[in-house]
Amino acid sequence: NAGVMQNPRHLVRRRGQEARLRCSPMKGHSHVYWYRQLPEEGLKFMVYLQKENIIDESGMPKERFSAEFPKEGPSILRIQQVVRGDSAAYFCASSLGQASNQPQHFGDGTRLSIL
Amino acid sequence: AQTVTQSQPEMSVQEAETVTLSCTYDTSESDYYLFWYKQPPSRQMILVIRQEAYKQQNATENRFSVNFQKAAKSFSLKISDSQLGDAAMYFCAYQWPSGSARQLTFGSGTQLTVLP
Repeated sequence: NAGVMQNPRHLVRRRGQEARLRCSPMKGHSHVYWYRQLPEEGLKFMVYLQKENIIDESGMPKERFSAEFPKEGPSILRIQQVVRGDSAAYFCASSLGQASNQPQHFGDGTRLSIL
Repeated sequence: AQTVTQSQPEMSVQEAETVTLSCTYDTSESDYYLFWYKQPPSRQMILVIRQEAYKQQNATENRFSVNFQKAAKSFSLKISDSQLGDAAMYFCAYQWPSGSARQLTFGSGTQLTVLP
């Protein structure tokens, strides 16, 4: 299956720890998007990356959150010093390009729980 | 900023019947994309249907069709012959057609229950 792969599916952290969420885009896709879904809400955009570049991070909290998409390997969403409010489902999507006819394909998400 | 509004938090439909989910949006752009995504209990995000704003013809995908009213900024989803497997949260989403703002803007969702 060449779909968007996210891991882990579930991640439990204690307050103050770091969380690392990984996303491998579909084969051939070089555009990655991260979204966050709080309980009972829709998805909210966080960041848009291409290989080695952050294109748009307007939805990222200013502190504790960072994202990367290196030349080799998966995209990583990193949350430092997690707090209870970070508990959410984090979805990654990828697209083949930036052209308007390239839809975003979503992974199954990572459910982050903060104790 | 673009906003997407789904005014029906919950809807229900009898199996084999038809249901329509509402979505309105606000934008000053003339060209954009609209989507309906389905999120079943497994929490996957599944693309149901896509509409390009410059196309007047309403998109259809098997039992799913949209009623796109550009002037009214309305984009409703019609599900015909509803099946138990259609039960899910449905999200309407907006996307700019070009430029760096490629993210999807989602509505708050409509929880659809299908009654046997």
